[in-house]
Amino acid sequence: AQSVTQLGSHVSVSEGALVLLRCNYSSSVPPYLFWYVQYPNQGLQLLLKYTTGATLVKGINGFEAEFKKSETSFHLTKPSAHMSDAAEYFCAVSERGYGNKLVFGAGTILRVKS
Amino acid sequence: DGGITQSPKYLFRKEGQNVTLSCEQNLNHDAMYWYRQDPGQGLRLIYYSQIVNDFQKGDIAEGYSVSREKKESFPLTVTSAQKNPTAFYLCASSILGQPRTPEAFFGQGTRLTVV
Repeated sequence: AQSVTQLGSHVSVSEGALVLLRCNYSSSVPPYLFWYVQYPNQGLQLLLKYTTGATLVKGINGFEAEFKKSETSFHLTKPSAHMSDAAEYFCAVSERGYGNKLVFGAGTILRVKS
Repeated sequence: DGGITQSPKYLFRKEGQNVTLSCEQNLNHDAMYWYRQDPGQGLRLIYYSQIVNDFQKGDIAEGYSVSREKKESFPLTVTSAQKNPTAFYLCASSILGQPRTPEAFFGQGTRLTVV
């Protein structure tokens, strides 16, 4: 069975500082990996995804993530936080050939201090 | 604009009532999903459907029912058997069989409150 662990339910950074949100997964087959962002009372928006090929993937709003198979990790980073990055972030995994069902982590709320 | 439309945005239910949440997509996606979101628990899969007239239970299907009579529509009924229905419900859809685009697209959600 798949599972996702996000380390840290709340992360606080200063504006302009590095953002690092951690995600570890387990999957019995090569996974698809995703990061989504959610603003209050809204749906989820895809930030980036890993399907195959290059392990460093770039997404929207300056975010990127690196797929590390040996560490079963897919951490999300952004070099310089902006106030507008304050939101909840979800890491998710799906298994190839299983109908694209997503398994989500519990989420990390990012706070950006001015 | 293509997308997923959920309605209503807010819904109040009295105990013992069934309520139906609407989800419509015009993306021509094969698969549709319902997730439930509770604070600190992420999103959990209720039901999913890969084709019209077929659907499968997810991890927390008890107390819920769905139908898929049209490709575009996947309504969710929260029955009186669901003991703790207050939550944020999200509908999603995705293309199947396309390895480069396995991501799900989400609607804006329906917040259900039992009063």
